[in-house]
Amino acid sequence: EAQVTQNPRYLITVTGKKLTVTCSQNMNHEYMSWYRQDPGLGLRQIYYSMNVEVTDKGDVPEGYKVSRKEKRNFPLILESPSPNQTSLYFCASSLASTGVETQYFGPGTRLLVL
Amino acid sequence: LAKTTQPISMDSYEGQEVNITCSHNNIATNDYITWYQQFPSQGPRFIIQGYKTKVTNEVASLFIPADRKSSTLSLPRVSLSDTAVYYCLVAPPEDDKIIFGKGTRLHILP
Repeated sequence: EAQVTQNPRYLITVTGKKLTVTCSQNMNHEYMSWYRQDPGLGLRQIYYSMNVEVTDKGDVPEGYKVSRKEKRNFPLILESPSPNQTSLYFCASSLASTGVETQYFGPGTRLLVL
Repeated sequence: LAKTTQPISMDSYEGQEVNITCSHNNIATNDYITWYQQFPSQGPRFIIQGYKTKVTNEVASLFIPADRKSSTLSLPRVSLSDTAVYYCLVAPPEDDKIIFGKGTRLHILP
């Protein structure tokens, strides 16, 4: 089944404890992206990647890192999480090397930073 | 990226046709218009995309007037399960950075 998977789905952590949220797609998509969603603010793009080893900042990249060593994986890294990073995170991918083509979203990761 | 404006929320009743309008006054010549649907606690799902005139698929229709400064997503005969947030995006095909905005929260009543 074609899908985008994220792990973990739920995570509670403490300030400063490094964490990684994994994202994997099995559709051989070029483009992958991370978003965060907060009440009243809608979906905001954190980072995106047009291909392996090519990443760029979205609207809210501060406090996050990403890597794209393989086409199928695009992990989101929080080196030193803070409470303002408590949010619902979505990973997405699309076939083309741009985000304008249809994006397929993962199920989301709900993160709470204490 | 063209800025879009949508109503914050809308209510409708089961069986009605619902039209959600998105304004994008500064749309560029090569911009496409894309709509996504998001159910609570799920990721957005692509609904429809168009450039001009009318596009229809099994889920919805998208109406784009000649000046392309707005677009209307039309959902025929809605049901309770159409309660969701609907996002309008405007961007050129080569764009990498995507802005979703706050969307329109559609609430379908029985």
